[in-house]
Amino acid sequence: DAGVIQSPRHEVTEMGQEVTLRCKPISGHNSLFWYRQTMMRGLELLIYFNNNVPIDDSGMPEDRFSAKMPNASFSTLKIQPSEPRDSAVYFCASSLLAADTQYFGPGTRLTVL
Amino acid sequence: QQPVQSPQAVILREGEDAVINCSSSKALYSVHWYRQKHGEAPVFLMILLKGGEQKGHDKISASFNEKKQQSSLYLTASQLSYSGTYFCGTEAGTSYGKLTFGQGTILTVHP
Repeated sequence: DAGVIQSPRHEVTEMGQEVTLRCKPISGHNSLFWYRQTMMRGLELLIYFNNNVPIDDSGMPEDRFSAKMPNASFSTLKIQPSEPRDSAVYFCASSLLAADTQYFGPGTRLTVL
Repeated sequence: QQPVQSPQAVILREGEDAVINCSSSKALYSVHWYRQKHGEAPVFLMILLKGGEQKGHDKISASFNEKKQQSSLYLTASQLSYSGTYFCGTEAGTSYGKLTFGQGTILTVHP
C-alpha cells in the first residue's frame, strides 16, 4: 500500500513568496496531521483534521499559515507570505483514528531565502 | 507543554541495553514512541494507553506509569539499526488525538 505522499519534497523560495505544500493521506485514514520540524523547536504539531474538519489549529504560528482539507484524500498547507524563519521540514501524517498510530510522509524540506 | 526526555544522547555497543525516559507534567491518556533516522520521517514504534494496553514493535518494550505521567522505552540487545533519534509523543487526557513530542534522544550504536 502507498504510504502518505507529500509534494514537493524540496522547495526553495524567496522571502515574500507564497508556498503550498501538499499531502495525500493513506486511503481510509480519517485523521490528518501537519507537523513542522526544526533543530531549535523540534517536532511541532501545526494543525490536525478529523474527517476533513480542522480540530485543533492552535499550533499554527500565525495568520500567514493556513491549511485546508477539501476531501479525504488531499490536504494543503499554505504559507503566504513566506519568511526565512519558516525554513523547516514539514511533515504530514495520517492515522485511522485521531488517537491511533500516525504514519508520517517523507516530508517537505522548505528553504526560504 | 513539551514532555521531557532523558537522556539527551546515549552511545552503545552492539548488544548493549538502553532505557529512554519520557516525563510529562500533564495527565496523559497515551504515550507514543517514534524513531527517526537522519533525513527520514519518524517511524512508529509503540503506543501505550492508559489502562495498560500496548501496541507496537515486538523487539522493543516500554512501560507507562500513569500516576507519575512517565514512560520508558527499553531497547535490549541493541543492533546497529537501532541508531537514530527517539521521540516520545504524549497525548493529554484533554486533547484527544493531539500529540506533543519531546525533544528527542539520540541513540548511537557502534559495532
